[in-house]
Amino acid sequence: DAKTTQPTSMDCAEGRAANLPCNHSTISGNEYVYWYRQIHSQGPQYIIHGLKNNETNEMASLIITEDRKSSTLILPHATLRDTAVYYCIDSNWGGNQFYFGTGTSLTVIP
Amino acid sequence: DAGVIQSPRHEVTEMGQEVTLRCKPISGHDYLFWYRQTMMRGLELLIYFNNNVPIDDSGMPEDRFSAKMPNASFSTLKIQPSEPRDSAVYFCASRSRRSSNEQFFGPGTRLTVL
Repeated sequence: DAKTTQPTSMDCAEGRAANLPCNHSTISGNEYVYWYRQIHSQGPQYIIHGLKNNETNEMASLIITEDRKSSTLILPHATLRDTAVYYCIDSNWGGNQFYFGTGTSLTVIP
Repeated sequence: DAGVIQSPRHEVTEMGQEVTLRCKPISGHDYLFWYRQTMMRGLELLIYFNNNVPIDDSGMPEDRFSAKMPNASFSTLKIQPSEPRDSAVYFCASRSRRSSNEQFFGPGTRLTVL
């Protein structure tokens, strides 16, 4: 079973920031937070990961609370191509047990 | 790089038949994963290999499922005999221990068992 909880669905207007929350109530000290997304009919795609500090890459930003019990994935300027299911995952560095859960279905609205 | 390659992309078969799904990981990757995705159960890890050796097969649903990795560039997932409840999308993924923990997924094989 997935160790994280996410809202089932969200909408976001095109061009606006999409903020996707995730609760990591059982995360342990050596587990990282990973975010993946799955566009319809494709395999999941890695977005970003982090341990304690906030992270940013060309795709998104990741905000992790100080207690690490929650995180937020931020897509700064959502486009229609960002419509997908977004998964947050807790896993050890080098760990291979990814529990994807049900994710958040993000719909970007024109 | 061509990415992870899976074949076939679609497979339709009848109950009781043997099904073989194929995967070519990204060259140089040390780990290979097989996942299954259904509406009911979401995306589940079935088995993964490290340097061609199966490490954890606890997600394999039953003895009808078997996976092999005869070399670093090829893996198979076999279902024998197949059943309608095996209908799903099967994904293969690979990653390198030298990079981040990013898994690269293939396009998947959509299996329909009639």
